[in-house]
Amino acid sequence: ETGVTQSPTHLIKTRGQQVTLRCSSQSGHNTVSWYQQALGQGPQFIFQYYREEENGRGNFPPRFSGLQFPNYSSELNVNALELDDSALYLCASSLASAPYEQYFGPGTRLTVT
Amino acid sequence: EDKVVQSPLSLVVHEGDTVTLNCSYEVTNFRSLLWYKQEKKAPTFLFMLTSSGIEKKSGRLSSILDKKELFSILNITATQTGDSAIYLCAVEGVGANSKLTFGKGITLSVRP
Repeated sequence: ETGVTQSPTHLIKTRGQQVTLRCSSQSGHNTVSWYQQALGQGPQFIFQYYREEENGRGNFPPRFSGLQFPNYSSELNVNALELDDSALYLCASSLASAPYEQYFGPGTRLTVT
Repeated sequence: EDKVVQSPLSLVVHEGDTVTLNCSYEVTNFRSLLWYKQEKKAPTFLFMLTSSGIEKKSGRLSSILDKKELFSILNITATQTGDSAIYLCAVEGVGANSKLTFGKGITLSVRP
């Protein structure tokens, strides 16, 4: 167990809806990264937050957005859900001084029907 | 664009066998290569490699990096059923805001 928690664990949404996923980082970690892992694929980087600001983004459209709060917890919001958004969404926390040591949460399984 | 290719994509062995998992990569301004084990959901960290030729070892697992040929291997000796998992390789580039680029993973099944 890494100390990174995510909620909910599983979610079913309909195409066109919006969803918010939450992540609490490991104690003391000030950087949160979000990844999308489709079935049979490795995780793909969505974006990273450091000190409440976006600090890098992967190849995802603007309908994927995020927030980081003063306590370093984070949210991932996805608008106008599409069927291809069905995936496991992972967050990982790290220290800015050791960014390569990313500790992953258990993920949220999102199913879009 | 950074790229990671893992092989084979899946592998079935029997307990006690030794396995070698491969990872080749292309990355701008390489900083590190990492191996993770993913059993159910959360990938768990195994190794971080930054220098060529220096073997990292943890119990029955070991890994080495070749920065000239741009690949890494993960070895598991005396495999056990508990080693059954997806093994992910990821690379990090300098200046990439610690973004990790992952391969598709290798599914290892260890039969009793």
